Formats: sequence, structure tokens, C-alpha cells
Amino acid sequence: QITLKESGPTLVKPTQTLSVTCTFSGFSFNNDATGVAWIRQPPGKALEWIALIYWDDDKRYSPSLKNRLTVTPDASKNQVVLSLANTDPADTATYFCAHVSWTSGSFDFWGQGVLVTVS
Amino acid sequence: IVMTQSPLSLSVSPGEPASISCKTSQSLQHSNGYNYLDWYLQRPGQSPQLLIYLASSRASGVPDRFSGSGSGTDFTLKISRVEAEDVGVYYCMQALQTPDNFGQGTRLEIK
Repeated sequence: QITLKESGPTLVKPTQTLSVTCTFSGFSFNNDATGVAWIRQPPGKALEWIALIYWDDDKRYSPSLKNRLTVTPDASKNQVVLSLANTDPADTATYFCAHVSWTSGSFDFWGQGVLVTVS
Repeated sequence: IVMTQSPLSLSVSPGEPASISCKTSQSLQHSNGYNYLDWYLQRPGQSPQLLIYLASSRASGVPDRFSGSGSGTDFTLKISRVEAEDVGVYYCMQALQTPDNFGQGTRLEIK
């Protein structure tokens, strides 16, 4: 059974770096051809894809955020860390991580999400 | 790839059908023949869940009243008989190439 859970500070000051950790179980970057995606959702708005990291350390970033965004895996801990630098109140959102199906590219399992407020 | 959903909201009586359209600015058909289009449902206060992948395959545990169809740039999600638990926002997403893009979302409410 695949599970994911996001954690991290829920309040960040503008210009600081936002960091959210995704801790997962049921799959491994060491043994499985898979990936973890990051999606965010500002309050009352639509979903926005922001990043994806594959098991082989291939990383993809949203063009609008790539200058501020870093995704770092820690295979030994089954974690992926999302870091967003130089934050702005517009970065206030619920941040989700999701398991990426290797066969379809779909996000078949999602974490509960964590609301991060930049203020 | 730009994703355009319609309608943006719909109100349906229980037991009635519902249909949501998703049109894309580029074909989502891979050289392997599959169309890399997903449908997700986000119920109020919950994380999104995968309903349909590869345009027409139902995800595990999804009731068969949900069906997906389409190819290329034109896709449809149909609910044969809407139930109260189907309330929420439906999103299409293309998984053909990064950045994966979501549609604007379609809000379904029960009359």
C-alpha cells in the first residue's frame, strides 16, 4: 500500500525559503522505477503542477518557478524535499506530493497536503 | 499544453447523467497509441483522487458509472448516474510531457 505525507512549517515570512518534506512508503527510489510529483493549490483556486522527480534523479520543474525551486531526494529515508526560495504571499497554497505511475504518468496516490502561508 | 475544460460548473439531479469536456492545445496521443489524459476528482476538503488514466482506463476502486473517452485533443468524462458523493471539482490533466498541466476545474453540485 502506497502512502505519502507532507510536513513542514505552515507559516513562512516573505523572501524566506519554503521547505516541505514528502515522506512516503510502499515504494522506493532504490528499487522501483517511479516518481514523486509536487502540486500546489492556492486557497479556492485550481491545481498547479510544480515539479516532478524520477527514481533516476531526473528532475522537472515548472517553467514559471524553476529559478526558485529545488527538489531533493533522500532515498535512505524515503523522502523528497521541496524548497521554494524567495517566497511571496502569492506562494501561499496547499502543497501536495503524489506518487507517479511509471506506466501512465498519472498521480495515483496523493498525500493529504499541507497549507503553507507566506505572510 | 493548454487545457480547457467546460463547463466550469454544473448542477445535476441525483440519478441524472453528467458530462465534462476537456480540450487540449496539442494532441495527447503518444506514438504508442495511448492518450496521456487523466481525470481527477477533488471532493470538498480532500486531496484529489485519480478517476481515469490514459483517457479511458478507470483507476482502482472507481465506480463503473464513471467513464472516459476521447483521443487527440478532445476528451470527455461522463458520469452515467450522479450520486451525492460525486460532488466536488473535476480536473483533467495531461501526462504526455512535463510540465503536466491541469485544466481549470469543473465544479459539480447536486440539485
